[in-house]
Amino acid sequence: QQQVKQSPQSLIVQKGGISIINCAYENTAFDYFPWYQQFPGKGPALLIAIRPDVSEKKEGRFTISFNKSAKQFSLHIMDSQPGDSATYFCAASGGTSYGKLTFGQGTILTVHP
Amino acid sequence: AAGVIQSPRHLIKEKRETATLKCYPIPRHDTVYWYQQGPGQDPQFLISFYEKMQSDKGSIPDRFSAQQFSDYHSELNMSSLELGDSALYFCASSRTPRGTQYFGPGTRLLVL
Repeated sequence: QQQVKQSPQSLIVQKGGISIINCAYENTAFDYFPWYQQFPGKGPALLIAIRPDVSEKKEGRFTISFNKSAKQFSLHIMDSQPGDSATYFCAASGGTSYGKLTFGQGTILTVHP
Repeated sequence: AAGVIQSPRHLIKEKRETATLKCYPIPRHDTVYWYQQGPGQDPQFLISFYEKMQSDKGSIPDRFSAQQFSDYHSELNMSSLELGDSALYFCASSRTPRGTQYFGPGTRLLVL
């Protein structure tokens, strides 16, 4: 079963808008939650990551919000730009398999100019 | 900054052939991971190595094997290739087993 569920599958926003992608996880042993950005034919690139000791982390236009009790975390992209158009994956790892990243299904983000 | 290097970048094989994919981690990274990504799918963890020892194993078929060498590069060996093995294969490396994983550009394998 999918241990990390991601939504929406696709997202269209206008330039300057806010993009929000949500993820939910099952495994309470997960303690590391990164977000990756992937362009077609390229490898995933780390955007931002969070551990459960904080509820929010911000880096530039990217913010992760984390809700440990609900086992949910989300990525907010402020002032979205056409160059942000890519596939975004949330992921999680932890417990005895701390190196094994379990990915969500991915969100295809399109930012219209 | 140096990145993960993968070779070859593209590979075309026939069914039942073998393939070897190579990964050169970022300098001073001692942990290597392999992932398989099918078309429109999320990356699936295959296997990882830390200090040349297998550290974790995921959904890697028995037809596949991998190892990490003394210079920390890693090779993924795939035998009896099937059509369903066609995918992007990513290698990632990290400075420590719990460190941030940096992905390479991938090897696109097409099995005909």
